[in-house]
Amino acid sequence: AQRVTQPEKLLSVFKGAPVELKCNYSYSGSPELFWYVQYSRQRLQLLLRHISRESIKGFTADLNKGETSFHLKKPFAQEEDSAMYYCALNGGAAGNKLTFGGGTRVLVKP
Amino acid sequence: DAMVIQNPRYQVTQFGKPVTLSCSQTLNHNVMYWYQQKSSQAPKLLFHYYDKDFNNEADTPDNFQSRRPNTSFCFLDIRSPGLGDAAMYLCATSSLNLGTGVYNEQFFGPGTRLTVL
Repeated sequence: AQRVTQPEKLLSVFKGAPVELKCNYSYSGSPELFWYVQYSRQRLQLLLRHISRESIKGFTADLNKGETSFHLKKPFAQEEDSAMYYCALNGGAAGNKLTFGGGTRVLVKP
Repeated sequence: DAMVIQNPRYQVTQFGKPVTLSCSQTLNHNVMYWYQQKSSQAPKLLFHYYDKDFNNEADTPDNFQSRRPNTSFCFLDIRSPGLGDAAMYLCATSSLNLGTGVYNEQFFGPGTRLTVL
């Protein structure tokens, strides 16, 4: 069975401080990992996926297969980063099915 | 330029009264998904359609059904809603890139919040 764990329900940081959202997964094969973000009153949207190896809005995430982690990082948080962040896993099943973590709410204070 | 549209945004129904939630897309994606998201919980996949092929998750209750009459529309039917079915219901779409064999990202609708009285 595949599982995604986000241990922090809430992260509160000051503007300009680094932020790291933790994501751990359990899956026996080679998963594809994603970070989705939901800003206030907006729909859930893709932030980044590990196969793209991109930096989006200053965020990066590295897949660590040894530690089964896919932590999301940003060196200097901005107020507009305040949102709900979900880590998700696609175990390779047909249909691109996603298993989501419980989410981490990020609050960036001025 | 909404791409995944869900109607209504808020739905109130009575205990045991059938209800249908609607999703439409302008992306021409061949895969459509329904997720249930209860308060403070992760979205949980109920089922998905790959074209006309229906794929149910093993733990989706029989109370939940779906229809996809064409590429653009997909419906979620709850036959006898219980109080525990109150949640946000998210529709999403995706497509398979036949050239790379990789699925494109899932695009989500705004959700329908269902209240059961």
